Amino acid sequence: EAEVAQSPRYKITEKSQAVAFWCDPISGHATLYWYRQILGQGPELLVQFQDESVVDDSQLPKDRFSAERLKGVDSTLKIQPAELGDSAMYLCASSPEAQETQYFGPGTRLLVL
Amino acid sequence: QKEVEQNSGPLSVPEGAIASLNCTYSDRGSQSFFWYRQYSGKSPELIMFIYSNGDKEDGRFTAQLNKASQYVSLLIRDSQPSDSATYLCAVNPSGGNQFYFGTGTSLTVIP
Repeated sequence: EAEVAQSPRYKITEKSQAVAFWCDPISGHATLYWYRQILGQGPELLVQFQDESVVDDSQLPKDRFSAERLKGVDSTLKIQPAELGDSAMYLCASSPEAQETQYFGPGTRLLVL
Repeated sequence: QKEVEQNSGPLSVPEGAIASLNCTYSDRGSQSFFWYRQYSGKSPELIMFIYSNGDKEDGRFTAQLNKASQYVSLLIRDSQPSDSATYLCAVNPSGGNQFYFGTGTSLTVIP
């Protein structure tokens, strides 16, 4: 069964450092999502890609966060510099097209010290 | 008002009972509705989706949608301890690409 892959699974960093997360969606899925989930809350969308284009990044803190999906396949989410409040689970999801069922990867748990 | 609201719980039911999880949404034109299960420390996994008013059954799970009242529910029959998790409701609002997630309801099934 095809799955969304993410790495690393865990990341511990100090504040002001840079971190990067990688996601490989299910093959053939055109839409890719990055979410942030703080403990006890639901996932909140950071950025949505349709192929290589950004569809929605209205909730992405663009002063420190960036995301790319250059070839419309895998994607990278970067935080620079990391802040204590960035500690959360970062989830990647993909769907065949927008508005269709989303399938989540295992997530990257980030701890900023 | 949040787009999607769920009672955070915790909800406790004995093993074998029916667990009922509820979700309300604000966008009357919302078209598609999803239930995800999330075990502690893990990512959400899809249980089922529903698009039309009424009931949709899949094994021990039944999703119920009432667009007039703007709520969607999930029933789990014959609850098992392995059903203990947080259940997330997600809604795709009208004309939008984004999914909105509720904060989740924590369910504990007591053996």
